[in-house]
Amino acid sequence: EVQLVESGGGLVQPGRSLRLSCTASGLTFGDYAMNWFRQAPGKGLEWVGFIRSKAFGGTTEYAASVKGRFTISRDDSKSIAYLQMNSLKTEDTAVYYCTRLPFDSSGNYYMDVWGKGTTVTVSS
Amino acid sequence: QSVLTQPPSASGTPGQRVTISCSGSRSNIGTEPVNWYQRLPGTAPKLLIYSNNQRPSGVPDRFSGSKSGTSASLAISGLQSEDEADYYCAAWDDSLNGWVFGGGTKLTVL
Repeated sequence: EVQLVESGGGLVQPGRSLRLSCTASGLTFGDYAMNWFRQAPGKGLEWVGFIRSKAFGGTTEYAASVKGRFTISRDDSKSIAYLQMNSLKTEDTAVYYCTRLPFDSSGNYYMDVWGKGTTVTVSS
Repeated sequence: QSVLTQPPSASGTPGQRVTISCSGSRSNIGTEPVNWYQRLPGTAPKLLIYSNNQRPSGVPDRFSGSKSGTSASLAISGLQSEDEADYYCAAWDDSLNGWVFGGGTKLTVL
């Protein structure tokens, strides 16, 4: 069974940094792109960004709201995807989720397995 | 305000068929496949439909998806009490260069 477990959330002051981890099991981690989402209290799901597999360059894409502040990386040897969050703002307060991104038959990514999320609270 | 538009609520009685709509634009649903997720309280979303109408293994065939133009629909037939959950649509948006979601539809089984 494929499982994703997010960790690293907590309370952090505005302007500080935090690194989240997404630890995967039950899959060949290096074969997949990995995705991060968040959901702020009372708000909808918001895409944060994703990282492609090494076979596709390991490149990243980010939402405009986090570009330049957040960085996604991966360690395939440990089956972990990371979300480095710098210059945090109160509006970054949310539950953060990671998802796996397999391809469909047409080569489009889709999100299949989700973790249960980790809570990040940015407050002074 | 979500990029994709879903009705906030839907309801049906056991055994009924219900549909949930998801409206977007040319840059998302109009050109990209739609995925549907079920979310039970306190749990992570579960993939129900991908690529507009494909069911992952383990998802009952009571769930089906369709797409036409810039709109998509999720149909649930033979409604069961355990189907009571929130349902979300999602698609890639070529203009925003990112994933976009619907605001979710809360399904109540009466």
